[in-house]
Amino acid sequence: QKEVEQNSGPLSVPEGAIASLNCTYSDRGSQSFFWYRQYSGKSPELIMSIYSNGDKEDGRFTAQLNKASQYVSLLIRDSQPSDSATYLCAVKSPAMYYGGSQGNLIFGKGTKLSVKP
Amino acid sequence: KAGVTQTPRYLIKTRGQQVTLSCSPISGHRSVSWYQQTPGQGLQFLFEYFSETQRNKGNFPGRFSGRQFSNSRSEMNVSTLELGDSALYLCASSWAGTENTEAFFGQGTRLTVV
Repeated sequence: QKEVEQNSGPLSVPEGAIASLNCTYSDRGSQSFFWYRQYSGKSPELIMSIYSNGDKEDGRFTAQLNKASQYVSLLIRDSQPSDSATYLCAVKSPAMYYGGSQGNLIFGKGTKLSVKP
Repeated sequence: KAGVTQTPRYLIKTRGQQVTLSCSPISGHRSVSWYQQTPGQGLQFLFEYFSETQRNKGNFPGRFSGRQFSNSRSEMNVSTLELGDSALYLCASSWAGTENTEAFFGQGTRLTVV
């Protein structure tokens, strides 16, 4: 059973601080990793994708991947109240890709982030 | 560029009825996946369609089915609705050109079974 684990939170940080969200996965063959943000009552919105070990930065967001430790994280710098949402980690294995088919994403349950003004 | 469009946004159905949900992917995207989201189980994969064929299927009963049309639009159907089918149903579309592609979600259809 392939699993993706996240702390459910809530994670509370003050405005302007760095929020650190973590995710571990069980399938060592996983190759593609994604972070989605989901506001209450809305659908998931893609924030970051990462495919190689190391860091990937996009604005205030940095995704970090360590395949040896089967660990992926998301850092949010200068956190804003508008960042308050549930953050979902998603993982895709290469075996799921076949001739254009994209297979499926396995999602963690999400971490609820609250940024206090 | 238009995003993923799901219709309807909200549905209320009675136990035993059936329901059909629709998804129009982003232009040029040929892979469409369906997910069910509930507070207890989180996001769970239902199935994926590519080139009008179901390519992958999650662990859901046969009451859940779908199809994809030649223009990549997809529909999913749930027959003999149960109370436990109440959920947010999400459609995600992906460009199918390479292995590492991103999935973009529609706004979802909120289904309530009473």
